[in-house]
Amino acid sequence: SQKIEQNSEALNIQEGKTATLTCNYTNYSPAYLQWYRQDPGRGPVFLLLIRENEKEKRKERLKVTFDTTLKQSLFHITASQPADSATYLCAPPGGNTPLVFGKGTRLSVIA
Amino acid sequence: DVKVTQSSRYLVKRTGEKVFLECVQDMDHENMFWYRQDPGLGLRLIYFSYDVKMKEKGDIPEGYSVSREKKERFSLILESASTNQTSMYLCASTGTNSGNTIYFGEGSWLTVV
Repeated sequence: SQKIEQNSEALNIQEGKTATLTCNYTNYSPAYLQWYRQDPGRGPVFLLLIRENEKEKRKERLKVTFDTTLKQSLFHITASQPADSATYLCAPPGGNTPLVFGKGTRLSVIA
Repeated sequence: DVKVTQSSRYLVKRTGEKVFLECVQDMDHENMFWYRQDPGLGLRLIYFSYDVKMKEKGDIPEGYSVSREKKERFSLILESASTNQTSMYLCASTGTNSGNTIYFGEGSWLTVV
């Protein structure tokens, strides 16, 4: 069955460092991947979408890569700040169903 | 600004009660979804709808039903609430006018006692 895995449940990093989050998928080939941010007690908010023919996408301090050979997407936050602390969700489209979300990685940026 | 509005932010209901969770979107989206989110389990899809009066089961439809009588409104119904339905419920929508981006509501925290 189709599977989405985000490698870490939680990630702690020092302010100013680059945070790297990983999303792996198995048993299908999504045409695109989306990344969302979720703050505690709130709904997820869309950040970036990357298509299978795009190797990399950037938005301000965010960078996403998509490696269809490795079946993996990496999400980077450069010069991280405490305000970046949140849960980040990876979401490729499913087959017959809509987006399939990973369980998320809870990022904590420590000042 | 796009908006998905969930009618209740916090609810406490008794076991066996019928519960309605309402969701309205103002973006003329065709597709609407109900998810529940529990610690350690992530977002799980309950039901979704691609059009008015249409509905499809998601991954965990048991114990739930939905209604979509108007394009902008998608209701989640718990016919007889049980304690294992205590959770945060998230409504979302997407459509051709927003590409593949899903817009979420703020969530409804339901406690069944």
